[in-house]
Amino acid sequence: AQSVAQPEDQVNVAEGNPLTVKCTYSVSGNPYLFWYVQYPNRGLQFLLKYITGDNLVKGSYGFEAEFNKSQTSFHLKKPSALVSDSALYFCAVRDMATGGSYIPTFGRGTSLIVHP
Amino acid sequence: DAGVTQSPTHLIKTRGQQVTLRCSPKSGHDTVSWYQQALGQGPQFIFQYYEEEERQRGNFPDRFSGHQFPNYSSELNVNALLLGDSALYLCASSLALFGEQFFGPGTRLTVL
Repeated sequence: AQSVAQPEDQVNVAEGNPLTVKCTYSVSGNPYLFWYVQYPNRGLQFLLKYITGDNLVKGSYGFEAEFNKSQTSFHLKKPSALVSDSALYFCAVRDMATGGSYIPTFGRGTSLIVHP
Repeated sequence: DAGVTQSPTHLIKTRGQQVTLRCSPKSGHDTVSWYQQALGQGPQFIFQYYEEEERQRGNFPDRFSGHQFPNYSSELNVNALLLGDSALYLCASSLALFGEQFFGPGTRLTVL
């Protein structure tokens, strides 16, 4: 079985400061990891993904994520937050093991609030 | 290049009624997945269609059914609506079963 945990319901950060949104995962094989962003009353927009290779993945809108296999984490980061980054962020995982589901499992989401 | 589209945007129904939601996949995609996102929750997988057949199904009752058409578009049907069916219903398309999923804007269903 695969699962995702986003331990923080809400993250508050001041504009211009660095931000981190945490995600940990559990899979039986190798993980295929995603971050999505959702603005109010909208669908999910893809930010970035990790399949293999460099542990630091760069994505859209200046976001990046760091894969840590030993800690089974995939935290989302941005060096300097913008008020417009305020939204709901979802981490998702797929198990790449043979016979694993093609369907990603999503976390509960973390609300990011960037204060002016 | 059109992305994933869904209709209608919003829908209000009463308990016991039936509803049909529609999804057109991103150009070039042949697989459609449906998710339910309740308020304050992450998306929960309902089912996936490929080659006009249901390929995988999540933990949802038989009241939830679907269909995929030869042009790859899809419908989600929910019978005997319950208050708890109120949610944002998301459609995602991909190229083949294992492809990366692209999401539509969703249909907001309210059951009164």
